[in-house]
Amino acid sequence: AQTVTQSQPEMSVQEAETVTLSCTYDTSESDYYLFWYKQPPSRQMILVIRQEAYKQQNATENRFSVNFQKAAKSFSLKISDSQLGDAAMYFCAYTDYGGSQGNLIFGKGTKLSVKP
Amino acid sequence: DTEVTQTPKHLVMGMTNKKSLKCEQHMGHRAMYWYKQKAKKPPELMFVYSYEKLSINESVPSRFSPECPNSSLLNLHLHALQPEDSALYLCASEGEMNTEAFFGQGTRLTVV
Repeated sequence: AQTVTQSQPEMSVQEAETVTLSCTYDTSESDYYLFWYKQPPSRQMILVIRQEAYKQQNATENRFSVNFQKAAKSFSLKISDSQLGDAAMYFCAYTDYGGSQGNLIFGKGTKLSVKP
Repeated sequence: DTEVTQTPKHLVMGMTNKKSLKCEQHMGHRAMYWYKQKAKKPPELMFVYSYEKLSINESVPSRFSPECPNSSLLNLHLHALQPEDSALYLCASEGEMNTEAFFGQGTRLTVV
């Protein structure tokens, strides 16, 4: 069975600084998707970034980028120029390729605090 | 419109009550999902509907009964719940295969 592990329950970053959240996963599949979701106090899960395993190039979305290491089964999220609005719970998630993007296996989450 | 709307936002119910949670999307999405999220935990998948048919039931107790009356609407009927069922219930929908899933803001359920 696939598993997702986030080893950092909490992280803190100074506004305008850079922070990296860690995620490792385990799967026997060769094709799959990995995601980072943000859940602010408003409770809604918001997709931050998505990575297809068959793509070697790391995904980027504005200030958010990932470091995808397929052989090591590692998928970290880097947030540059952190803003107060980035404060939230961040979940790493996995789904099989060809399956449903909503059928997600989540890690336990990392709570990110941003200090002004 | 990339919105998934869940109602109500908050619900308090007794263990003998019957209530329903509602989820609506008007994006023409083919798949809809119910997740349960306990406090300080990640969401856990409960049910998946694909083209209005139940495709996945993650061994959820029968006191939770999903229903998909049409392609835009997903209900979760609740009956004889236990206090440990108190949680945030999230709905999500997804378009064609390999497109992004969108989540609603959830219903915060408290069973007393």
